[in-house]
Amino acid sequence: GAGVSQSPSNKVTEKGKDVELRCDPISGHTALYWYRQSLGQGLEFLIYFQGNSAPDKSGLPSDRFSAERTGGSVSTLTIQRTQQEDSAVYLCASSLVARAGTDTQYFGPGTRLTVL
Amino acid sequence: KQEVTQIPAALSVPEGENLVLNCSFTDSAIYNLQWFRQDPGKGLTSLLLIQSSQREQTSGRLNASLDKSSGRSTLYIAASQPGDSATYLCAVRRGTGGFKTIFGAGTRLFVKA
Repeated sequence: GAGVSQSPSNKVTEKGKDVELRCDPISGHTALYWYRQSLGQGLEFLIYFQGNSAPDKSGLPSDRFSAERTGGSVSTLTIQRTQQEDSAVYLCASSLVARAGTDTQYFGPGTRLTVL
Repeated sequence: KQEVTQIPAALSVPEGENLVLNCSFTDSAIYNLQWFRQDPGKGLTSLLLIQSSQREQTSGRLNASLDKSSGRSTLYIAASQPGDSATYLCAVRRGTGGFKTIFGAGTRLFVKA
């Protein structure tokens, strides 16, 4: 079936504006992850969702960042009052099950966010 | 705190050479370890996943090993090809207190034709 999709592919915004990034996981995948990759940096875990369980938000860098997953499928990552240091590629991944020990993560192409 | 280190940071080899990429992690209480490749401007592609109870996984020309006690994993690429040129990332999922995945900074591989 189709892979993980993300939209938009590119987003340019002004400092102080809010942005929403969307992720459509692979159909049937119960686990969904958000990461960000800043220029020259490794991937940084942000948040993950597993079914109806409470999400693991331990990677969110500040309270300006939030995410939700509606109906156990599509997820939206929201960044409020964007700052220039938020500029990065935001990657979404999904896996069939997060707790099986065999949960290969499949990544989307990412959203490149540029905050001017 | 789990830290993942990849050595070397960059590697250039002639086509046909066998090579080894290294990954080390500080906390052996992991759930699994996964190797990915990332091509410029693109997302990540999963290569191999090793469960904490396993010692190695193979897929085609790729072989990944895991030694939890020493906190090390290696990715062996046989008979390298120019199409193998990419950044290779190692990721460790912790086994307690949630399932946060920690990535290494990657090894940038260039295979010369």
